Parts: sequence; C-alpha cells; structure tokens
Amino acid sequence: GAGVSQSPSNKVTEKGKDVELRCDPISGHTALYWYRQSLGQGLEFLIYFQGNSAPDKSGLPSDRFSAERTGGSVSTLTIQRTQQEDSAVYLCASSLAGSGSGTDTQYFGPGTRLTVL
Amino acid sequence: GENVEQHPSTLSVQEGDSAVIKCTYSDSASNYFPWYKQELGKGPQLIIDIRSNVGEKKDQRIAVTLNKTAKHFSLHITETQPEDSAVYFCAAWMNKFYFGSGTKLNVKP
Repeated sequence: GAGVSQSPSNKVTEKGKDVELRCDPISGHTALYWYRQSLGQGLEFLIYFQGNSAPDKSGLPSDRFSAERTGGSVSTLTIQRTQQEDSAVYLCASSLAGSGSGTDTQYFGPGTRLTVL
Repeated sequence: GENVEQHPSTLSVQEGDSAVIKCTYSDSASNYFPWYKQELGKGPQLIIDIRSNVGEKKDQRIAVTLNKTAKHFSLHITETQPEDSAVYFCAAWMNKFYFGSGTKLNVKP
C-alpha cells in the first residue's frame, strides 16, 4: 500500500515569498504530524492534527507558519514571507489513531527540502 | 517540557562489531521511547520501541534498554552490517514526541 507522500520533494524560493507544502497521509490514519529537521539536527515538532482539528499547535515557530487539514486527510503547511532560517526539511508523519498516547507507530514521508535564498 | 539528549553524534564501527547509542530524558512522566533509522533522502523509520513498564526489548540484532530511575535508554545493534549505516534518532513521548539530535552511524566493511 501507499505510504505517506509529500510534495514537492524540493522547493527553492526567494526570501519573502509564501510557500505551501503538502502531505498525503496513509489512508485511514486519523493523526497527522508536521516536523522540521534542520541540517544535522533532530526533529522539531511543529503541529499535530487529530482528524481536522489541531489540538497542539505549540511548535509553530511564528505566526508566519500555519497548517490546515481538510477531510481528515491531506494537510498543507504554509509559510508566509519566508526567511532564510526557514530553510530545512519539513517532514510529515501519520499514525492510525493518535489517541494522544503516542504509542501508535508514526509513519514518515520522505520530506520536503525547502531552501530560502 | 521534555529534553532529550543523544550521544554520540557520530559513531564509526567495523562490520561485525556492536554499536551502542544512548539517550537521556528529563521528564520522569515520559512513558514511550521509540528509535528511528533515517537513511539519506528518506524519512525516519521506526525500528524498535519500548514502553516505560518494560526494561528491555529485543528484535533480532536490535535491542533497547530503559533505565527509568536514571532516565536513560539505549539502542544496541549487534553484528553490525554496512546497511546499518544511517542516522539514528531516539525520542520520548510526553504529550508529544521530543527527539534527540541524532547519531550518524558508519559501519565500515
């Protein structure tokens, strides 16, 4: 079966432009997570969706970052007025239930590499 | 919030040797500790996990140990093979996942 997919795989943009990153979770997975991975660093939690609602947005670095999820499936992460420090790999993961216990296996997508010039 | 520290940042071993990666966490309420393997250009993949009510778990050449008192957990890979070369991340669950900074493992043939 299909895993988590993300698009685009690579995105180069100019400082100040807006970008949209897309995540298609595994079909039937209710929980969806966005992470940011800077070069040589671990994963930084950004936001968590349970269905279409986002009970935890605490990781979003600034109000330039927003995310939505529609139909309990596809999610988009939007970064407005991009800055050079936004350059990173943005990873999406989904899990079956996401009850909040964290014990459901997270399946990660391949990520979107964002470069802000 | 939780703080997870991971050591070493890089590890080079000879094929067939064992590799050990260690993580510490700060919040004693954390109750779930997965380990992920990330190959170049791919997303992390779960390789083994352990819950706080268990001290050790083994899956073929991979094992994880948890010391709740000391608040540390370790990944053990025995009989390493070149295909084990990757970046390994530990994580702790405390309302969300907190990740270590990663260990780049190089297995030399």
